[in-house]
Formats: sequence, structure tokens, C-alpha cells
Amino acid sequence: GAVVSQHPSWVICKSGTSVKIECRSLDFQATTMFWYRQFPKQSLMLMATSNEGSKATYEQGVEKDKFLINHASLTLSTLTVTSAHPEDSSFYICSADSTGSYEQYFGPGTRLTVT
Amino acid sequence: EDQVTQSPEALRLQEGESSSLNCSYTVSGLRGLFWYRQDPGKGPEFLFTLYSAGEEKEKERLKATLTKKESFLHITAPKPEDSATYLCAVSRGDSWGKLQFGAGTQVVVTP
Repeated sequence: GAVVSQHPSWVICKSGTSVKIECRSLDFQATTMFWYRQFPKQSLMLMATSNEGSKATYEQGVEKDKFLINHASLTLSTLTVTSAHPEDSSFYICSADSTGSYEQYFGPGTRLTVT
Repeated sequence: EDQVTQSPEALRLQEGESSSLNCSYTVSGLRGLFWYRQDPGKGPEFLFTLYSAGEEKEKERLKATLTKKESFLHITAPKPEDSATYLCAVSRGDSWGKLQFGAGTQVVVTP
């Protein structure tokens, strides 16, 4: 149980284009999902908190117009990187906490490379 | 400001050689301390949640403990498959779910 999937697992795009990453909780409902990014040899940094049916809350320093988050249902959140640039290249990971549980489960991550 | 510091940065163990990883934290209103394991190119895998000082949890060769200032992850008689980066994270009471991660300890277990 408590499986979170992400799609795609990796993506290469050209500078200036937009990329959408999906995060799904497969066997539980997730009221809240979180988006992190991780640079090589560094730890995870929280980008935003996504609640089903409401606007995402972004951490300080994260551009909400660049990283669009939509949490359309209790099992799906999407992150769209708009007008991507090489500096947006990173490992993006989502997580979800099961309603009523304090445990947070992470997806396998999406490797984004912007050329 | 909240801080999570893990030590050592890297640890190389012989198979069977037990050791401990440290996670020291300063956070107001700790709600929970989490341990995760992360393999290269993968998302973190949940291991433990600790809520209060004195609490201990075990899973196979891993045991996590918590005091008011730090947590330890003990690895007993490790095997090569225990090689991974171990991440510690904390969550505050006023922002439940927002995890602040330490930099991690990279563990390599050699046969």
C-alpha cells in the first residue's frame, strides 16, 4: 500500500517550452501533496504544498508563475514548469500524505533536463 | 531558524560492522521526525516516524531513536543492500507535512 507514482520518469525539453509532470497516489486518497526538487548531491527542498481543490502554497523564493501546480482530485496533482530554462534542470519529486496518517510517501521522481 | 544537521556525510562499512547515523535538529514545536532511505535516481522510501523523546522504532536491521535534540539511526550487522543515502526530516506543528530535510548520510556497505 501507499504507492505514489510520477510520470514521466525523465524528460528532455528545449529551453522556452513547458513540461507537465503528474503525481498520482495509486492506492490511497491524498488531501495534500507536496512538490520537492533535488539538485545533484543535495537534499530535497520543498517547493510547494498542493491541496485538493484549492490553490497551491509556494515556499519563499519559488516562482508560482513558473511552477504551476494543480491538484484536481484526491489522487492527482500536476506540476507544470513553464518556459523552462537550463537552470530548471533538476530532479522533481512529489509526495503525498494519506488522509488520517502522519506518514508521507514519495514518488520515484522525474528527471528534467532542459537543453 | 529551523535546522537539521546529519552526520557523518558519508560512511563506509564492512558487511556486519554496526554503526550509527546522527540527526541533530533545532526546530520549534517539533511534530515529527522522519527517516527515509534514498537510492540513486529514486524517490525517498519511508522508514520511520518518531513523535516524542524516548521513542524507538525498529525495522529489520534498522533502529531509530529520538531525544529532545537529536535522533539516531542504528544499523546493526549491515548488508550490501543497506547501501543508500539516509535522510532525516522534521515537521513542525504549525506546518504539518512540510518536511525540512537534512543533507543526508551516504552509506556504503562492502562485502
